[in-house]
Amino acid sequence: GAVVSQHPSRVICKSGTSVKIECRSLDFQATTMFWYRQFPKQSLMLMATSNEGSKATYEQGVEKDKFLINHASLTLSTLTVTSAHPEDSSFYICSAIRSTARTFGSGTRLTVV
Amino acid sequence: RKEVEQDPGPFNVPEGATVAFNCTYSNSASQSFFWYRQDCRKEPKLLMSVYSSGNEDGRFTAQLNRASQYISLLIRDSKLSDSATYLCVVNLYNQGGKLIFGQGTELSVKP
Repeated sequence: GAVVSQHPSRVICKSGTSVKIECRSLDFQATTMFWYRQFPKQSLMLMATSNEGSKATYEQGVEKDKFLINHASLTLSTLTVTSAHPEDSSFYICSAIRSTARTFGSGTRLTVV
Repeated sequence: RKEVEQDPGPFNVPEGATVAFNCTYSNSASQSFFWYRQDCRKEPKLLMSVYSSGNEDGRFTAQLNRASQYISLLIRDSKLSDSATYLCVVNLYNQGGKLIFGQGTELSVKP
């Protein structure tokens, strides 16, 4: 079945540094990648939608200059959390569509200290 | 008002119990409906799609009422392995595949 590989699974970084999260579609071409964030005991909230070769579309309230999304190829989309702060600590997860099926990455747990 | 609302939970039930999850959605343009399962901060996994005619998969039964914008999931003869968070999810019409997630209802099945 369709697989999306997300890396890293866990990361701890210092406040003020940047962290890059990668999602690769392993056996299909993902023209669209959705990026979600989930705080403890809360729902997955859509942050942005990235389309290969074009600018990402951000949801209301999500800072595009802080959460940089790059979707330069059909198999790779990246989310960079710039100048991370403790309040950015969360579970970040990507999702792609293959045909009519939705597949998720395994998630990245980010802790900013 | 949240776009997708679920029972707050958690539900703590003994093995063998029948459990019902309820969900309402606010946007009448919602097109597709799903129940996902999420284990301990892992990625959500599709449990089943939900149709107006209702659908059943083994011990799991899902129902959709478009008129009242209500979705349900019934688990019969619950197992320890059913312990997880159950997410009600909708896909809005013409929104490019965006999924809107409910906050989830945690289920804990005890021996």
